[in-house]
Amino acid sequence: DTGVSQDPRHKITKRGQNVTFRCDPISEHNRLYWYRQTLGQGPEFLTYFQNEAQLEKSRLLSDRFSAERPKGSFSTLEIQRTEQGDSAMYLCASSAGLAGASYEQYFGPGTRLTVT
Amino acid sequence: DQQVKQNSPSLSVQEGRISILNCDYTNSMFDYFLWYKKYPAEGPTFLISISSIKDKNEDGRFTVFLNKSAKHLSLHIVPSQPGDSAVYFCAASGAGNNRKLIWGLGTSLAVNP
Repeated sequence: DTGVSQDPRHKITKRGQNVTFRCDPISEHNRLYWYRQTLGQGPEFLTYFQNEAQLEKSRLLSDRFSAERPKGSFSTLEIQRTEQGDSAMYLCASSAGLAGASYEQYFGPGTRLTVT
Repeated sequence: DQQVKQNSPSLSVQEGRISILNCDYTNSMFDYFLWYKKYPAEGPTFLISISSIKDKNEDGRFTVFLNKSAKHLSLHIVPSQPGDSAVYFCAASGAGNNRKLIWGLGTSLAVNP
């Protein structure tokens, strides 16, 4: 059973450095989501892909953030010039998203980012 | 403005008894609701969902009830087990094509042996 995987699980970086996270969704899922969660909060939506097309970006996603899903399979989320406020758990989820299907999203284990 | 509200930050229940977790929402455009369970340092795990056209959905020990007129849903776990101890999140999905989830702040459930 291959669920959603994320790499790395933990990342510690110094302020100003760039970081990149990877997400591998469930293979037959065509929808992929990125969320961010900070302590004591629920996850907040960042961006969404249907296949390789990035269809929505949250206002939370500043110009320093970029996400790609080049072949409609895995996705990467890059943060440039990291700031301490970027410290959070970054969650990836995938969904089948077929017409008439249910819309449950299945999550990976997350990448914990700490910016020092 | 919190569109999905879980007003109880924590709940403590005895093993074998019923756990009831509550969730309120403000946006009448939400048409699908989901409950997730989360352990520390892990991603959320999907538990159960309900469409807005239904008022109840049951899966084993988990039942979700939806009261659209009150904009309220609840998750019932019976019987509660110590392994159910975790943070439970209520999430809602709108009618838009992206189906992004809007989340509550979570309720920490402790099931005591």
